[in-house]
Amino acid sequence: AQKITQTQPGMFVQEKEAVTLDCTYDTSDPSYGLFWYKQPSSGEMIFLIYQGSYDQQNATEGRYSLNFQKARKSANLVISASQLGDSAMYFCAMRENGYRDDKIIFGKGTRLHILP
Amino acid sequence: DAGITQSPRHKVTETGTPVTLRCHQTENHRYMYWYRQDPGHGLRLIHYSYGVKDTDKGEVSDGYSVSRSKTEDFLLTLESATSSQTSVYFCAISTPGHLDNYGYTFGSGTRLTVV
Repeated sequence: AQKITQTQPGMFVQEKEAVTLDCTYDTSDPSYGLFWYKQPSSGEMIFLIYQGSYDQQNATEGRYSLNFQKARKSANLVISASQLGDSAMYFCAMRENGYRDDKIIFGKGTRLHILP
Repeated sequence: DAGITQSPRHKVTETGTPVTLRCHQTENHRYMYWYRQDPGHGLRLIHYSYGVKDTDKGEVSDGYSVSRSKTEDFLLTLESATSSQTSVYFCAISTPGHLDNYGYTFGSGTRLTVV
């Protein structure tokens, strides 16, 4: 079963508008972490934001925030005031709490296009 | 910088030949990973290592082997390359065991084409 689901293969958004990228996840582990990564056309993977399963507040990093709805198993990324440089592929990912079995699982990604 | 390098950055090889990709880190991180990235699939884990000589399979390990003889190097070998292994390969490193702001640090990727 797919553990990370990103239902939007591609999105087009006007510059300066807010963007929400959807992510749902599936785990039976009470302790886990959720991540978002950005991959611009140059190909590097850039860490954006992290949310722990026990965190009471939604994570924020500058223009990025993570809308964490634990009961719905949802971890949407919100980008406020989008910029042309936000055009990229975005990956949602999850890390379950394991010591030896420590690995991150990625969704299939959403390609975001910011229109001028 | 992050202290993780992949080599080569680009490679074209023929079907049936063995290929080895190298990941080198200077961060002394215990965990190292190999992922492949393909359109429509995101990043999929091939193999990972949780210490010297300790490795385990990921979800797409068939046709790949790995070795880790020292902390800083994690090698991925395609024993007999096939066209289906044409992909971009990413190495990543992390420190395990706690769920704070620890994601991965990624290498720059290796673009492998099997013809």
